[in-house]
Amino acid sequence: LAKTTQPISMDSYEGQEVNITCSHNNIATNDYITWYQQFPSQGPRFIIQGYKTKVTNEVASLFIPADRKSSTLSLPRVSLSDTAVYYCLVGDTGRRALTFGSGTRLQVQP
Amino acid sequence: NAGVTQTPKFRVLKTGQSMTLLCAQDMNHEYMYWYRQDPGMGLRLIHYSVGEGTTAKGEVPDGYNVSRLKKQNFLLGLESAAPSQTSVYFCASSDPFGGSGANVLTFGAGSRLTVL
Repeated sequence: LAKTTQPISMDSYEGQEVNITCSHNNIATNDYITWYQQFPSQGPRFIIQGYKTKVTNEVASLFIPADRKSSTLSLPRVSLSDTAVYYCLVGDTGRRALTFGSGTRLQVQP
Repeated sequence: NAGVTQTPKFRVLKTGQSMTLLCAQDMNHEYMYWYRQDPGMGLRLIHYSVGEGTTAKGEVPDGYNVSRLKKQNFLLGLESAAPSQTSVYFCASSDPFGGSGANVLTFGAGSRLTVL
């Protein structure tokens, strides 16, 4: 199982770009990187998934360097509503037992 | 399309009582999971299922049992509840054969359980 390491918490202000990095030094060849967002009292919600280079959707971008030992979730121009916990998961797409790390608690201030 | 539905949403138990949490998904997903989340903590995997009639242990299975008699339902049982099982329980499902694979989970809204 690829172990992931994320910062425990981050602070930002509205309108700023936020980058959350996840380290996964022992990522396997077949592993994908998936990010989730969790608001208080809600279940986590899928944000973005990638294998290499850059992936972008309407919510975020995911940057993955060539060695794939880390990944960076980028949230452009955050708002107060982006205050949440963000989780990074690493595993192959057929993986059966998905374990979450502690996540990064993002606090966005006015 | 309701996604993943958990019942009940809230429950208070006394120590030693038993109960069952029900998870139902209407997406025809093959994999289903039960997680628990304690206040301020991440999610921990209790049990999971890779198909109808199959179950497997996760990180913290002790004190819980599960059953997947139908593909769309995954039940989590507490035979003798303990205060340490006070938590929010989340059910999730995924489609390992879909375009995004097993890593893309759809979660339910959670079931908040308090054991006195």
